[in-house]
Amino acid sequence: DAGVTQSPTHLIKTRGQQVTLRCSPKSGHDTVSWYQQALGQGPQFIFQYYEEEERQRGNFPDRFSGHQFPNYSSELNVNALLLGDSALYLCASSLVGGGAYEQYFGPGTRLTVT
Amino acid sequence: RKEVEQDPGPFNVPEGATVAFNCTYSNSASQSFFWYRQDCRKEPKLLMSVYSSGNEDGRFTAQLNRASQYISLLIRDSKLSDSATYLCAVTDPGNQGGKLIFGQGTELSVKP
Repeated sequence: DAGVTQSPTHLIKTRGQQVTLRCSPKSGHDTVSWYQQALGQGPQFIFQYYEEEERQRGNFPDRFSGHQFPNYSSELNVNALLLGDSALYLCASSLVGGGAYEQYFGPGTRLTVT
Repeated sequence: RKEVEQDPGPFNVPEGATVAFNCTYSNSASQSFFWYRQDCRKEPKLLMSVYSSGNEDGRFTAQLNRASQYISLLIRDSKLSDSATYLCAVTDPGNQGGKLIFGQGTELSVKP
């Protein structure tokens, strides 16, 4: 049973650049949520995708955008990178249609903006 | 006031000790509660879900007090391998199955 996978593992970008992070949910799950975790903090919700639509969004600027594909995998795009975007980006998958609300996290992508 | 607040750490305990963490949440309409464990530089791993008054899994017991708006995690007979950061998470009341709101985490260090 494949768990949540994310790519790449690590990424170094320069201020002003754009980045795309990828996530494949756990087998059987239909929903993907993205979180940003700064050092020493809990994860902060960015947005959630279900049925290829953004279902809910947290307090992140429009520079953060996403997409969900028919196979339930998802991408997170961040434009015009700032130094403050350096963080661990976590993808979590869940099965909203099943009525359970547990979210399972992937290993994350560690983004460093210089 | 933060939406979810946890005991500030770190907690340093000897092996075999019992340790309890508390987590308070601000929105009384929240319905689902979770404890995650996060090892250094790894992803959070779901430890326990708490939907009603509590849940027990081996050495771990989670309790929910809706009147006082807090959940707790009790770890009995602590092992060295329990050393990690424990994150409390609460579902956004407006959207079950959606946004999880996390506390800042409580670090636990179990010493020999």
